[in-house]
Amino acid sequence: KAGVTQTPRYLIKTRGQQVTLSCSPISGHRSVSWYQQTPGQGLQFLFEYFSETQRNKGNFPGRFSGRQFSNSRSEMNVSTLELGDSALYLCASSLGGQGFYEQYFGPGTRLTVT
Amino acid sequence: GESVGLHLPTLSVQEGDNSIINCAYSNSASDYFIWYKQESGKGPQFIIDIRSNMDKRQGQRVTVLLNKTVKHLSLQIAATQPGDSAVYFCAENIEGGSEKLVFGKGTKLTVNP
Repeated sequence: KAGVTQTPRYLIKTRGQQVTLSCSPISGHRSVSWYQQTPGQGLQFLFEYFSETQRNKGNFPGRFSGRQFSNSRSEMNVSTLELGDSALYLCASSLGGQGFYEQYFGPGTRLTVT
Repeated sequence: GESVGLHLPTLSVQEGDNSIINCAYSNSASDYFIWYKQESGKGPQFIIDIRSNMDKRQGQRVTVLLNKTVKHLSLQIAATQPGDSAVYFCAENIEGGSEKLVFGKGTKLTVNP
């Protein structure tokens, strides 16, 4: 069974631009969660999507948004990029029961904002 | 507040020794805890989990202990191998109006041959 895939793996953007990251979950998984990982703040939960609906949300500004498609693939968008948005963005998928049980992570997208 | 912290940022052990990685949590509403391993350049990998109604759970070479009285979680790795070298994170599932997973800062484990 193929694992979680994320595209692109690396991205360089300029301050003020916007970016869209993509995540394909493991086949059969209906929940997709997004995380931001930085050396200073560690791993922080952004949001979770289940059945095309945002089910849970972390404490990030509205510049961070996401969506999920009917095939469970998910995208995350960051608008008006700031230098502090430079991070590794991880997505994780699970079957989708309540709670973050048995999540499987992708390799991440490394975003650099200059 | 809602935070999961780790007592030690780095841990160095000899191959074959047992390793213990600790984690403190502060949210009594947490009902589920997970340990992840992250190798360089990869996403976190699930190791073992434990629900709040348990105090111990064993896997292959790993054991997780949960002490709800002092809000402490630990991961024990038996006969540590060089392949165990990685950063280890604990995470707690916090129920509430919006459920979320809160991660600790991580402990870097180095296994010396």
